[in-house]
Amino acid sequence: SQQGEEDPQALSIQEGENATMNCSYKTSINNLQWYRQNSGRGLVHLILIRSNEREKHSGRLRVTLDTSKKSSSLLITASRAADTASYFCATDWTGANSKLTFGKGITLSVRP
Amino acid sequence: EAGVVQSPRYKIIEKKQPVAFWCNPISGHNTLYWYRQNLGQGPELLIRYENEEAVDDSQLPKDRFSAERLKGVDSTLKIQPAELGDSAVYLCASSFSGTGGEKLFFGSGTQLSVL
Repeated sequence: SQQGEEDPQALSIQEGENATMNCSYKTSINNLQWYRQNSGRGLVHLILIRSNEREKHSGRLRVTLDTSKKSSSLLITASRAADTASYFCATDWTGANSKLTFGKGITLSVRP
Repeated sequence: EAGVVQSPRYKIIEKKQPVAFWCNPISGHNTLYWYRQNLGQGPELLIRYENEEAVDDSQLPKDRFSAERLKGVDSTLKIQPAELGDSAVYLCASSFSGTGGEKLFFGSGTQLSVL
């Protein structure tokens, strides 16, 4: 399977703490994206990082990419109860028939 | 800007019955995707359209699933006949396809329950 694998599967933290989620993948990629999904809703794009980038920031989000280790991390700083959701990494690998492939997701619970 | 619109929101049917889902993508988005999401899993691509052409339908179970995107805008996904294992959330997404790396905009999905 080409899909990324997120780690941990579930994460529970207190409001105000930072949340770190990891994603590993197996093949070379063009880019990696992170999405959020609130319960019963569709996915919402958070951030995209290209294979030639190492770090990107967007508000309270920080994403890193290590292509040598085939891994990425998503850091949410100063978490809020509203950050409670499932988070998915999606990889767009290189080569023919490339398609955006999602991992199984991480369930983040932020306790007020 | 209106988002991706899907209907119905929920659908409950008995096995062997047909079912259809409808999607209206964001205006101007030439690429449309249908994903299936099982409980506790990530979305899995069923089919991807670029304008009217299905450019990737390798994961679509063609014996019972069909899709169309007339005039390169709205799309329908049909299952006939439905099986118990088809119970899932069916998500539609759209993007403006450039040279790759585009972000996808998702609808809220149709939750299908097959009894």
